[in-house]
Amino acid sequence: AQKITQTQPGMFVQEKEAVTLDCTYDTSDPSYGLFWYKQPSSGEMIFLIYQGSYDQQNATEGRYSLNFQKARKSANLVISASQLGDSAMYFCAMREGRNSGGGADGLTFGKGTHLIIQP
Amino acid sequence: NAGVTQTPKFQVLKTGQSMTLQCAQDMNHNSMYWYRQDPGMGLRLIYYSASEGTTDKGEVPNGYNVSRLNKREFSLRLESAAPSQTSVYFCASSEAGFSGNTIYFGEGSWLTVV
Repeated sequence: AQKITQTQPGMFVQEKEAVTLDCTYDTSDPSYGLFWYKQPSSGEMIFLIYQGSYDQQNATEGRYSLNFQKARKSANLVISASQLGDSAMYFCAMREGRNSGGGADGLTFGKGTHLIIQP
Repeated sequence: NAGVTQTPKFQVLKTGQSMTLQCAQDMNHNSMYWYRQDPGMGLRLIYYSASEGTTDKGEVPNGYNVSRLNKREFSLRLESAAPSQTSVYFCASSEAGFSGNTIYFGEGSWLTVV
């Protein structure tokens, strides 16, 4: 089973509208972190926002917020007031605390959502 | 603000040739990683190093070797390149393996094997 699922391969959104990018995850580890990265056409991976499994509040960073629903194992990224520069690939990723019997450290990524902001 | 630096940025190899991708970080991080990214896929972990002198396999280690030269540097070697290794390679680093520590990436290395 995939650990990170992003069900939207591509999205078109009008400039200034809010955007929600979906992400569901699967883990039996009680300690984990959820991350969102942006990859523009230039290729670099830019860290956007982080949510810890024990965090009570949803994470926010400027125009980015993370809608964390732990019971549903959902960690959707919300971008408010979208801009043309938001056009990029967006990846959801998870880092587990390795309390459930080991396994590789590092991030497990979803396949990404290609977001295009239209003027 | 160098962060994670990897070289070369672009490389074309012939099948069977060998090469080494170099990576260095200046954030004093203990953990370092090599990922590959293929079209339509997220990044997949090749190898990682939790500290100087240790390395471990990730999801897709076959055909690769790594060396953690010191705390700053982590290299990835392709001994006999194959077309299936055509990909974009990312080096990354973070504080020690706590799930809350952000992983920071280099700018990527585009490798084509013909």
